Amino acid sequence: ETGVTQSPTHLIKTRGQQVTLRCSSQSGHNTVSWYQQALGQGPQFIFQYYREEENGRGNFPPRFSGLQFPNYSSELNVNALELDDSALYLCASSPNLVDTQYFGPGTRLTVL
Amino acid sequence: SQQGEEDPQALSIQEGENATMNCSYKTSINNLQWYRQNSGRGLVHLILIRSNEREKHSGRLRVTLDTSKKSSSLLITASRAADTASYFCATVTQGGSEKLVFGKGTKLTVNP
Repeated sequence: ETGVTQSPTHLIKTRGQQVTLRCSSQSGHNTVSWYQQALGQGPQFIFQYYREEENGRGNFPPRFSGLQFPNYSSELNVNALELDDSALYLCASSPNLVDTQYFGPGTRLTVL
Repeated sequence: SQQGEEDPQALSIQEGENATMNCSYKTSINNLQWYRQNSGRGLVHLILIRSNEREKHSGRLRVTLDTSKKSSSLLITASRAADTASYFCATVTQGGSEKLVFGKGTKLTVNP
């Protein structure tokens, strides 16, 4: 167990809808990163937050946005869902920018 | 974009045998990490090797890093059925943000 939790476990949405995924990091972890993993692929970096500020972003459109809160929780929001957004979404937290990242179990999103 | 490429894509062995997985990457790195993923769930951190290190051990795991060849290998000795999983290498690029860049993974099956 990594101490990182995500909710919900599974989610089904239709194209065009909006979704919010949640992550609860380990206490004291000031860095959280979000990854998208399509079936059969490795995780792809979406963005990272450090002390509630965005600290880097991957090749994802602006309809992917995030928030990090002072209580070590964070959110990933996706607007105008597309079929290709169907994937496993993973969050990972670390005590600091340069430390090992600890992954949550993921949220599997299906867009119909 | 994916930085690391694991080889082979799939590996099937008998319990007790050793399993070797290789990873190649393209740019200079700060460190390279290996993760395990069971059945499309969260990733479990196995080992981190820094760019100035050549070899690290953790239990039955042995990781080597050759920065001149931009490659790494993960050896699992005396494999068990419970080692059945997908294994990913991930790099942290030198001078970049602390995001992890993953390969596509090696799917390891250990037959009892």
